[in-house]
Amino acid sequence: DTGVSQNPRHKITKRGQNVTFRCDPISEHNRLYWYRQTLGQGPEFLTYFQNEAQLEKSRLLSDRFSAERPKGSFSTLEIQRTEQGDSAMYLCASSSLSYNEQFFGPGTRLTVL
Amino acid sequence: ILNVEQSPQSLHVQEGDSTNFTCSFPSSNFYALHWYRWETAKSPEALFVMTLNGDEKKKGRISATLNTKEGYSYLYIKGSQPEDSATYLCAFWIQGAQKLVFGQGTRLTINP
Repeated sequence: DTGVSQNPRHKITKRGQNVTFRCDPISEHNRLYWYRQTLGQGPEFLTYFQNEAQLEKSRLLSDRFSAERPKGSFSTLEIQRTEQGDSAMYLCASSSLSYNEQFFGPGTRLTVL
Repeated sequence: ILNVEQSPQSLHVQEGDSTNFTCSFPSSNFYALHWYRWETAKSPEALFVMTLNGDEKKKGRISATLNTKEGYSYLYIKGSQPEDSATYLCAFWIQGAQKLVFGQGTRLTINP
């Protein structure tokens, strides 16, 4: 297994556009997490899935953000009507059990102009 | 609001020196504490998952201790090498919400 992968690695978009990121977790992991990281801060939890069910979503996440994991494998994170404040690194991680170590992807760096 | 604090925020250490830094977290409802290393342009990598008060874990030249009663963990690096340059993150596991809360990280730079 090659670990967690994320695509694209970099995305530059204009304000108001929609963007979608993809995460492919480690195949046998049933838990998948999305985080957002801004300069000088640690990763901030956005949402998580157990198999295909989205079980927790941060209250910080506005209605412009949506995530899916349709078959319990890969996941997508969509941001609609992007704003400059959405510029950040978006990280995906997967794990096998609840409090076990999480395996992170390399992240997608979003820049909103 | 649950706070996880790391100090210092950044650290410059001479190659060969040993160093340590701190993670502070709530002492109530403890379940697990994670340490990750995040090198520039790479993925964050798990170092330790600690669950027991008084636990000490070691991986090569890196070790960590845990005090859940007072709410802190120390990460130690012995004989720092240039490849140790990275941001070190600790994260507190919230069992009820099933999620990690990260500190802001300690950015370590090893000077050759």
